Amino acid sequence: EAQVTQNPRYLITVTGKKLTVTCSQNMNHEYMSWYRQDPGLGLRQIYYSMNVEVTDKGDVPEGYKVSRKEKRNFPLILESPSPNQTSLYFCASSPRLAGVSEQFFGPGTRLTVL
Amino acid sequence: AQSVTQLGSHVSVSEGALVLLRCNYSSSVPPYLFWYVQYPNQGLQLLLKYTSAATLVKGINGFEAEFKKSETSFHLTKPSAHMSDAAEYFCAVTSFSGGYNKLIFGAGTRLAVHP
Repeated sequence: EAQVTQNPRYLITVTGKKLTVTCSQNMNHEYMSWYRQDPGLGLRQIYYSMNVEVTDKGDVPEGYKVSRKEKRNFPLILESPSPNQTSLYFCASSPRLAGVSEQFFGPGTRLTVL
Repeated sequence: AQSVTQLGSHVSVSEGALVLLRCNYSSSVPPYLFWYVQYPNQGLQLLLKYTSAATLVKGINGFEAEFKKSETSFHLTKPSAHMSDAAEYFCAVTSFSGGYNKLIFGAGTRLAVHP
């Protein structure tokens, strides 16, 4: 089944404790992206990647890191989480430029930073 | 810069009634427009998309949207609401920036359907 998977689905952590949220897609898509969803703000892009070893900042990159060593994987790293990073996070992939192709979303990761 | 405004953060309708979710966009170039739906505890699923072909776009689950350039709108409609339509709906527009395309989302509209 074609899908985007994220792990973990739920995570409660404390300020400053490094964490990684994994994202994997099995559709051989070039384009991958991370979003955060906050009430009243919709989804905002954190980072995106156009292909292996090609990543760039989105609209809200502060406090996050990403890497793209393999085409299928695009982990999101929070080196020192803070409470304002409490949010719902989505990974997405698409086969080519996002503007003309559907983005496929993972199920989401709900993160709480205490 | 491209942007999206969804009018009404919450919409409530009765089962069988018309569903109308409003979306207005701002774009300096011909836009690509999307509607996504998010069911509880799930990711976003594409409902439909406009890519400069027909102005009336039909999507899944009986939804459709009409692109009106003069009004810069892309409202989502469904003639008869079903209980299973209760979800959050997001309108999105492409943003051409830095040599690539990305999606700019509206704030979302939560649809409630009452029996």
